[in-house]
Amino acid sequence: EAGVAQSPRYKIIEKRQSVAFWCNPISGHATLYWYQQILGQGPKLLIQFQNNGVVDDSQLPKDRFSAERLKGVDSTLKIQPAKLEDSAVYLCASSLFGYMNTDTQYFGPGTRLTVL
Amino acid sequence: GENVEQHPSTLSVQEGDSAVIKCTYSDSASNYFPWYKQELGKRPQLIIDIRSNVGEKKDQRIAVTLNKTAKHFSLHITETQPEDSAVYFCAASIETSGSRLTFGEGTQLTVNP
Repeated sequence: EAGVAQSPRYKIIEKRQSVAFWCNPISGHATLYWYQQILGQGPKLLIQFQNNGVVDDSQLPKDRFSAERLKGVDSTLKIQPAKLEDSAVYLCASSLFGYMNTDTQYFGPGTRLTVL
Repeated sequence: GENVEQHPSTLSVQEGDSAVIKCTYSDSASNYFPWYKQELGKRPQLIIDIRSNVGEKKDQRIAVTLNKTAKHFSLHITETQPEDSAVYFCAASIETSGSRLTFGEGTQLTVNP
């Protein structure tokens, strides 16, 4: 089966600029996650969608980060304005159901963001 | 919230030796513990997982053990090969928290030929 797709793979921007990332989950997967992985650390959940509804966004910096999942399929994550500390890899993942915490999460290749 | 600590941060072994990576978690309500392997520049991939009703699980050269009383779990890789070189992440999940995974900081495993 096709995996989770993300674009772009790399992005370099100046601080205070805006940036958007796109994710296409595995077909049929109801749950979609966005993680932030800072260099040398494990991924940290930013937001979780169940179909097109938000389940968990408790760790999303809502003053600058936003995300949406249109029609319960693709998702976009936006940062506006970006700060230096936002430099990280942004990973998208999906799982078939998601309401069971034992459901396997499949990760995309990530988008590496560098903020100068 | 849940906190996961992982040790060691780096591990170097000779090909054919065994490697052990240990994680501790803070919330006794955690009931699911996956391990992910991430090669340089690639996506994290699930290699094995264990649920809290099981003490040990094996899959060929990989095994995971869980001690619920002590709140720690470990990844064991036997007969290591150069292609096992990667960063390994442990994670924990609480049944009542949806499906959020809390990850450890990762272990860079290097297998020397």
